[in-house]
Amino acid sequence: GAVVSQHPSWVICKSGTSVKIECRSLDFQATTMFWYRQFPKQSLMLMATSNEGSKATYEQGVEKDKFLINHASLTLSTLTVTSAHPEDSSFYICSAYPGGFVMNTEAFFGQGTRLTVV
Amino acid sequence: QKEVEQNSGPLSVPEGAIASLNCTYSDRGSQSFFWYRQYSGKSPELIMSIYSNGDKEDGRFTAQLNKASQYVSLLIRDSQPSDSATYLCAVSNFNKFYFGSGTKLNVKP
Repeated sequence: GAVVSQHPSWVICKSGTSVKIECRSLDFQATTMFWYRQFPKQSLMLMATSNEGSKATYEQGVEKDKFLINHASLTLSTLTVTSAHPEDSSFYICSAYPGGFVMNTEAFFGQGTRLTVV
Repeated sequence: QKEVEQNSGPLSVPEGAIASLNCTYSDRGSQSFFWYRQYSGKSPELIMSIYSNGDKEDGRFTAQLNKASQYVSLLIRDSQPSDSATYLCAVSNFNKFYFGSGTKLNVKP
């Protein structure tokens, strides 16, 4: 199956610093990428949807100035958590969708990034 | 209205019973439908896809699609404690892809 690589798989950072998480589709082009956040024992929460070359669409309650999403190419999207605080500690997961390039295909998930802000 | 609606649960069933997970969607043009399973702390994994009205069986799993009612379901027969997870419904229509918020399933031994 198609592979989505998410990096890093875990990161620890100091409060106030920024962290960038990368999501790459290794063997397909992704028209759409999704970013999720999941707190312990809670469901996946969609943060934003990004289409290549256009601004991300953020879900209600998600601060777009804090969670910067860039989808500059069909194989790479990045999520930057700016001025991270302990409450941003969470499991972040990306998902990539080939869209019209491939019919009847699912979206593929990255392995997730566990962020701990100390 | 959300594009894909799921009951968040938790849905609790005894071991060996049939678990029934349901999902409704709003876009009548949706063409492809998917069920993902997510274990706590892990990424979701695809378990079933269905594109035509009717039933599709794969082992203990059966996906059911009714486009007229805009309804998708997943049946898990002989539920096992290892099936305890969150199940995400997803639908797509060409360049659009939407996930539901997931239903948490607990299978009690």
